[in-house]
Amino acid sequence: TQLLEQSPQFLSIQEGENLTVYCNSSSVFSSLQWYRQEPGEGPVLLVTVVTGGEVKKLKRLTFQFGDARKDSSLHITAAQPGDTGLYLCAGVSRMNRDDKIIFGKGTRLHILP
Amino acid sequence: EPEVTQTPSHQVTQMGQEVILRCVPISNHLYFYWYRQILGQKVEFLVSFYNNEISEKSEIFDDQFSVERPDGSNFTLKIRSTKLEDSAMYFCASRSPGALPGNTIYFGEGSWLTVV
Repeated sequence: TQLLEQSPQFLSIQEGENLTVYCNSSSVFSSLQWYRQEPGEGPVLLVTVVTGGEVKKLKRLTFQFGDARKDSSLHITAAQPGDTGLYLCAGVSRMNRDDKIIFGKGTRLHILP
Repeated sequence: EPEVTQTPSHQVTQMGQEVILRCVPISNHLYFYWYRQILGQKVEFLVSFYNNEISEKSEIFDDQFSVERPDGSNFTLKIRSTKLEDSAMYFCASRSPGALPGNTIYFGEGSWLTVV
């Protein structure tokens, strides 16, 4: 069974601070995705990382895929209250006829003004 | 921005009743999915559907569940005889053909099912 462990589960920090969220697995994935989910809504894709060691930046968010394609991190620089939300990592595996996405439990981030 | 729409947004049903959740995927998408999220837990894959048949399904998707695309636009999830543990948010999703790194899965806003 493929599992994705996210840490921390909850994080509350002051506006302007930096933070890193981790996503770890014992399984290798063909790619890894990060989503953001607001209350009462579906997950919205932020980024997909494909190559081991790949780094992608989305404004103040930096996403990295581990060299072995088993783990990933999300780093936020100078966090803003608008960054508050649930961040989900999701591993993508190729199945027989489609790609399957396995979600982690998420990290709930709260940025205090 | 294209979107996946789901109805109903919230349904309360008696245990043992049948429920049908409806989804209108994005119009040019060909892969369709149902996921569920029990309150406080992770988003779990149920089933994927392509070319009018199930392409993958999880252990959760047992004989109680079925999917169909009856009219080429709606994509439905039917739960035949609901149980208390079926209470969850059910998300429909769709994407266009091709491998996932190049194609985004779009999720709907979810249908919240409460079984009493």
